[in-house]
Amino acid sequence: AQSVAQPEDQVNVAEGNPLTVKCTYSVSGNPYLFWYVQYPNRGLQFLLKYITGDNLVKGSYGFEAEFNKSQTSFHLKKPSALVSDSALYFCAVRDKDTDKLIFGTGTRLQVFP
Amino acid sequence: KAGVTQTPRYLIKTRGQQVTLSCSPISGHRSVSWYQQTPGQGLQFLFEYFSETQRNKGNFPGRFSGRQFSNSRSEMNVSTLELGDSALYLCASSLRTSNEQFFGPGTRLTVL
Repeated sequence: AQSVAQPEDQVNVAEGNPLTVKCTYSVSGNPYLFWYVQYPNRGLQFLLKYITGDNLVKGSYGFEAEFNKSQTSFHLKKPSALVSDSALYFCAVRDKDTDKLIFGTGTRLQVFP
Repeated sequence: KAGVTQTPRYLIKTRGQQVTLSCSPISGHRSVSWYQQTPGQGLQFLFEYFSETQRNKGNFPGRFSGRQFSNSRSEMNVSTLELGDSALYLCASSLRTSNEQFFGPGTRLTVL
């Protein structure tokens, strides 16, 4: 079965510093991977996806993610964090057998001034 | 383009009652998925509809059901509500089932 893991419940970073939110996956074959963000009392917003091609994927709001096949990781990154980036971040993988989108448990990012 | 809309946004029910939640996808999107989000269980997949047919179903009891109409709007129904059904119910739409999903703001259901 396909799955994703987000090993950190919370990540704290100072404004202006680079941030990384970790995600590892377990899939058979080539993965379809996604990152979503959820602000308080809101639904999830799509940030970026990896289907194929370049390992570095650029997305919304200055975020990017690096697909690493050897480490089975798809970490979310941003060079300079903003306080407004504080939110709940979800990594997801599409199960190719069922087409279901399977989410990780989420990582709360806190950017402090 | 208008985003995914969900109604109502907030709902309070008592145990044993039933509830119907509505979701209007982005215009042109034919796939609608439903998720339950709780602090303890995270995001749990409920079901997915494409062109009025249920394509996938998660591991929820039969009290949870859904349907999709010809205009792609979808409803989900929960019968015989339990306290544990209190959650944020999210709807997401996509062009096809393999595309990225766009989420609505959710319906927060509280069961007393």
